[in-house]
Amino acid sequence: QKEVEQDPGPLSVPEGAIVSLNCTYSNSAFQYFMWYRQYSRKGPELLMYTYSSGNKEDGRFTAQVDKSSKYISLFIRDSQPSDSATYLCAMKGSQGNLIFGKGTKLSVKP
Amino acid sequence: GAVVSQHPSRVICKSGTSVKIECRSLDFQATTMFWYRQFPKQSLMLMATSNEGSKATYEQGVEKDKFLINHASLTLSTLTVTSAHPEDSSFYICSAGPVAPNTGELFFGEGSRLTVL
Repeated sequence: QKEVEQDPGPLSVPEGAIVSLNCTYSNSAFQYFMWYRQYSRKGPELLMYTYSSGNKEDGRFTAQVDKSSKYISLFIRDSQPSDSATYLCAMKGSQGNLIFGKGTKLSVKP
Repeated sequence: GAVVSQHPSRVICKSGTSVKIECRSLDFQATTMFWYRQFPKQSLMLMATSNEGSKATYEQGVEKDKFLINHASLTLSTLTVTSAHPEDSSFYICSAGPVAPNTGELFFGEGSRLTVL
């Protein structure tokens, strides 16, 4: 079992839809959880990070962590075509490095 | 957010040559830099962890003699792909941190796309 599992999609939604992106993980020691957005041929851009369980909201983005289920989510409200990108979940490993999911490719259609 | 600059963004080289990629933290001091490789439609895979002033720690399966990492200062790390072969063609991305202590915040460079002919 991989440490971080993420459905690669692709996921296609109409503009204005609510998008739900998810990852599961196996290592209960993970404490820091991140979501990165990566546009084609670019480096990942940090969207949100969360410590331990709970919710965090930033504008149209909400990150949720459920440590009991080892499940994290990113919600995007009122999705826009500019949100079209690959979204990667990541968790902080013991050495401070990040362990990434495969990324979910999102396409928001106008 | 913090800025990490990576150069070059794109490089094409002949098989057997060496290529150097630079990663700079522009507005903070990075005690640790990480080098990742990303193949098409794949996730980022950690290659090595580089701590300023010490030898890099390589992940299993990554050849340290082929991928030379130098982290001589708190703002610069370099990755040299020696004797590059077509299978080394990939997207190489560095990240640097910590930006703030005890958080998971790492910031990434824009990546370097290497094509080996």
